Amino acid sequence: QKEVEQDPGPLSVPEGAIVSLNCTYSNSAFQYFMWYRQYSRKGPELLMYTYSSGNKEDGRFTAQVDKSSKYISLFIRDSQPSDSATYLCAQRGNTPLVFGKGTRLSVIA
Amino acid sequence: EAQVTQNPRYLITVTGKKLTVTCSQNMNHEYMSWYRQDPGLGLRQIYYSMNVEVTDKGDVPEGYKVSRKEKRNFPLILESPSPNQTSLYFCASSFSPSGYGYTFGSGTRLTVV
Repeated sequence: QKEVEQDPGPLSVPEGAIVSLNCTYSNSAFQYFMWYRQYSRKGPELLMYTYSSGNKEDGRFTAQVDKSSKYISLFIRDSQPSDSATYLCAQRGNTPLVFGKGTRLSVIA
Repeated sequence: EAQVTQNPRYLITVTGKKLTVTCSQNMNHEYMSWYRQDPGLGLRQIYYSMNVEVTDKGDVPEGYKVSRKEKRNFPLILESPSPNQTSLYFCASSFSPSGYGYTFGSGTRLTVV
């Protein structure tokens, strides 16, 4: 089984809000996870990657993995209209990346 | 600039008329892959290639063909397109299939009427 489940949204928040995007995974064998961001009419681009449990920060973005609940999260602080995009989580393993279906986020000014 | 280039960006065609979508990467990546993206279904892998002359089916290969004669190019061929192949297509490349990051092209919006 190689599923990564993601709520498709859409999610609409006001500018400045803290955004939480979440995925669940079923395969515990692989512990590398990635978040991709996809702007409208563009291909996905790698935003962050993280390994195993814990947090990883990059500016306003924090990626978190909770192994016990098989949950991966992306937090966006002080969200901006430029963060409006579709966010896809992905799990790395010995086979091609498994992607979630993506959550569409709109940040309203 | 490191990139994956797809052409064309937009294509409208008629049922049954063979077409090819080209994909080229300049990063010397060994792994290349084609996806289609549909509302509510996310990214679904069509075909992938681990190296030159090595290709394999993904999750939704029916109706598609690929070839990998050179490392940099990975064209997607629709021999007899049908309306259910109307979709947004992405080519991606990476050093390995389980690599940290895939580089995606900008996409090809295909409409089959």
